[in-house]
Amino acid sequence: GAVVSQHPSRVICKSGTSVKIECRSLDFQATTMFWYRQFPKQSLMLMATSNEGSKATYEQGVEKDKFLINHASLTLSTLTVTSAHPEDSSFYICSARTPDGELFFGEGSRLTVL
Amino acid sequence: EDQVTQSPEALRLQEGESSSLNCSYTVSGLRGLFWYRQDPGKGPEFLFTLYSAGEEKEKERLKATLTKKESFLHITAPKPEDSATYLCAVRVRSRLTFGEGTQLTVNP
Repeated sequence: GAVVSQHPSRVICKSGTSVKIECRSLDFQATTMFWYRQFPKQSLMLMATSNEGSKATYEQGVEKDKFLINHASLTLSTLTVTSAHPEDSSFYICSARTPDGELFFGEGSRLTVL
Repeated sequence: EDQVTQSPEALRLQEGESSSLNCSYTVSGLRGLFWYRQDPGKGPEFLFTLYSAGEEKEKERLKATLTKKESFLHITAPKPEDSATYLCAVRVRSRLTFGEGTQLTVNP
C-alpha cells in the first residue's frame, strides 16, 4: 500500500515552546491530508483538513492559531503546535489521500509537553 | 449528526476461535466505509474499503462485509498476531468519522 511518513515519531518539549510535525506522502501526490489527535484508549479525532496550496479547514473547537497547518507541496504537510502546554500532550496522526481516494496513515507522533 | 458505533469494545478470543466485530453507522451520503488495524503506539494500518451494500472483501483471515446500516469484520481462525485495535470509519463528503474501536486480544 501507499506509504505515509511522519516525523518525528516522538518529541518531548518544554511548556511554551513550539513543535513542528511533518507528514510526507512518499510514493504518491496528496492534494488532501488530514491531521488527527488521539488520546489513550480513544479513537481518532479529526483536527483539520489540509489542502495543498490553500488554508486548512479546522474542526469545531480546534484553535487554528494554536495548531498551525501548512500544506506547501503535494507531498508534505506540517502541523506546528505553538506555545505547547502539558494538555497538548497527545498522539498526533496524519493521513493522506491517494488519487484513487484511499486514505493511508502515518505512524503517528507522540508529543509530551513538560 | 453522523455516528459510528463499534461493538464490542473489547473481545478476547482463543487462537482459532472465529468471531465478528460490528460497526454500525448512521450517516447521510456514505462515500465509503473503511476498516483499519491499529497497534499500540502506531498509526492505523489500512485493511479494507467498502462502498456499497452487499460488497465483501477478504484479506488472509479477515473478511469485511457491508449492509446499509452496518459492517462486519469477520476473523476466521485468529492468531495471536491478530491482536490489535480494529477501527472502522465512514467517509461523508471529504471527512472520515471514526468509531471508538474494538480491542481484540487473541490468546495462544
